[in-house]
Amino acid sequence: SQTIHQWPATLVQPVGSPLSLECTVEGTSNPNLYWYRQAAGRGLQLLFYSVGIGQISSEVPQNLSASRPQDRQFILSSKKLLLSDSGFYLCAWMMIAGGFTDTQYFGPGTRLTVL
Amino acid sequence: GEDVEQSLFLSVREGDSSVINCTYTDSSSTYLYWYKQEPGAGLQLLTYIFSNMDMKQDQRLTVLLNKKDKHLSLRIADTQTGDSAIYFCAESLNYKLSFGAGTTVTVRA
Repeated sequence: SQTIHQWPATLVQPVGSPLSLECTVEGTSNPNLYWYRQAAGRGLQLLFYSVGIGQISSEVPQNLSASRPQDRQFILSSKKLLLSDSGFYLCAWMMIAGGFTDTQYFGPGTRLTVL
Repeated sequence: GEDVEQSLFLSVREGDSSVINCTYTDSSSTYLYWYKQEPGAGLQLLTYIFSNMDMKQDQRLTVLLNKKDKHLSLRIADTQTGDSAIYFCAESLNYKLSFGAGTTVTVRA
């Protein structure tokens, strides 16, 4: 069966510091991968998605970047964090090959607080 | 702003039925989804419905889809305290999901 991991679970960082959040998926190959941010009391905002290694699409201009160095690894980064980067970051995957429902499955999330 | 709209809060008595409503905008959406989020956790897929269906039932959950009005609802029968959570509806298009802001359901004794 497929599982998705995110780490760290919680992170407190000062303004101006760098960021690296990691997401890995097990039990599937060539998934689509997604990064979302959920601000307090808000819905989910799609930040980035990837259809393959090295292929990143950005949905909104921002202070963040994403990379996919391996098939089942998706990384969210920032060179200098802003206060507005605080939020709950969720990674998700979707099976494309043989899949038919566009269903995305979510990881447990990373709570980021920028002080 | 979001293309998918939901009411933000719902309070329901334990044992009653809960109905969460959602409207979406893209008539090309192939699938529509309901996800559940418990405090501090990721999103859990509850159910989905194909756009050519008008109803789907899965144990205590009933999804109704009115494609003409672009209206989706989730009914939870015999609501329990464990059903307290945020519920998100989402529409899919081109392998991407567009989410509503979420409905916070509070179950009171």
